[in-house]
Amino acid sequence: KAGVTQTPRYLIKTRGQQVTLSCSPISGHRSVSWYQQTPGQGLQFLFEYFSETQRNKGNFPGRFSGRQFSNSRSEMNVSTLELGDSALYLCASSGTGTYTGELFFGEGSRLTVL
Amino acid sequence: GESVGLHLPTLSVQEGDNSIINCAYSNSASDYFIWYKQESGKGPQFIIDIRSNMDKRQGQRVTVLLNKTVKHLSLQIAATQPGDSAVYFCAETTGGTSYGKLTFGQGTILTVHP
Repeated sequence: KAGVTQTPRYLIKTRGQQVTLSCSPISGHRSVSWYQQTPGQGLQFLFEYFSETQRNKGNFPGRFSGRQFSNSRSEMNVSTLELGDSALYLCASSGTGTYTGELFFGEGSRLTVL
Repeated sequence: GESVGLHLPTLSVQEGDNSIINCAYSNSASDYFIWYKQESGKGPQFIIDIRSNMDKRQGQRVTVLLNKTVKHLSLQIAATQPGDSAVYFCAETTGGTSYGKLTFGQGTILTVHP
């Protein structure tokens, strides 16, 4: 069974640009969550999508957005990049609409903003 | 979870010792508490969880203890092995339709010496 796949794994952007990150959840999983990981702030929740609807949102500015497609694949977008957006962006999937105890994380997309 | 910062707590043990990793949480409304392990270059991996109506749960070589009175969570690893070396995060969630929204602690670096 394939795990959560995130692309691209590494990318470098400059300030002011935008970036789109992709996440393919485990087959059959309907929930996709996104997290930002930095040395200074640790792991912080961005948003969660379930059946193409944003179900939860963290405390990030509107420059951070996401969406989920009918096949459960998800994308997140960051517009007008800032140096502080440099981070590891992690995607996690889970199977059902109710708590199952476990989120399955991908290996992340490492974004560097110059 | 506790406040985050650049310097993570560290725990260094010898192979075969028992390890105890501690975590303080902040949200009295959290219903589930989870431990994740993150190895270098990988996403977090689920270890074990516990619901708020329990005070102890055991898995394979791991035990999680929950003390709601002082909002404290601990992870005990028996017979620690070099493969257990990683960063360990506690996380909390209110569950329900918010289970994909985890609040993570800052993490503890565990180093196991052969």
